[in-house]
Amino acid sequence: GDSVTQMEGPVTLSEEACLTINCTYTATGYPSLFWYVQYPGEGLQLLLKATKADDKGSNKGFEATYRKETTSFHLEKGSVQVSDSAVYFCALRAGANNLFFGTGTRLTVIP
Amino acid sequence: EPEVTQTPSHQVTQMGQEVILRCVPISNHLYFYWYRQILGQKVEFLVSFYNNEISEKSEIFDDQFSVERPDGSNFTLKIRSTKLEDSAMYFCASSEETGRNQPQHFGDGTRLSIL
Repeated sequence: GDSVTQMEGPVTLSEEACLTINCTYTATGYPSLFWYVQYPGEGLQLLLKATKADDKGSNKGFEATYRKETTSFHLEKGSVQVSDSAVYFCALRAGANNLFFGTGTRLTVIP
Repeated sequence: EPEVTQTPSHQVTQMGQEVILRCVPISNHLYFYWYRQILGQKVEFLVSFYNNEISEKSEIFDDQFSVERPDGSNFTLKIRSTKLEDSAMYFCASSEETGRNQPQHFGDGTRLSIL
């Protein structure tokens, strides 16, 4: 079945540090891949997406590349800010209507 | 920017009671979804809804659950007789179209606590 495995958190980084949150997936067919972010007290917001192999999604300085050969979609940012503190969810959508989510990774950025 | 709104933000209910969670999807969206997240666990799909019908549902969505679009704007999730294990954050989502490329837009969630 379809599933997403996401790096366990929590992750604590100093401001301006590099971020990588690992995400790998298992899917039948050719899924689309998403990263959602949940800021404190808010709902899930779409951060970026990629719909086919080698696509790179990017938004707000975050990037993730759809790697079919390694079935991965790692989230990266070169220099994190305090305002990036949130929970990050990797998700996929294949043939079905629904999204399959990872467990979420809590990121805390300290000044 | 239009958004999905959910009410209430927090609902506390006695075990065995019925609860209705409410959602107002984005106005031009046609596809609606409910997900839940038990504390510390994954966000899990419950049900999708289109054209006044359930289009897909998960194993979690048993006979205790029902969904309804009672008017042109609201989309509700009803749990008939709540159990302790129904305690979770419930997220409503909507999308303009279906298809694997279409993003789903989520509300802020309703935290349901069963006592």
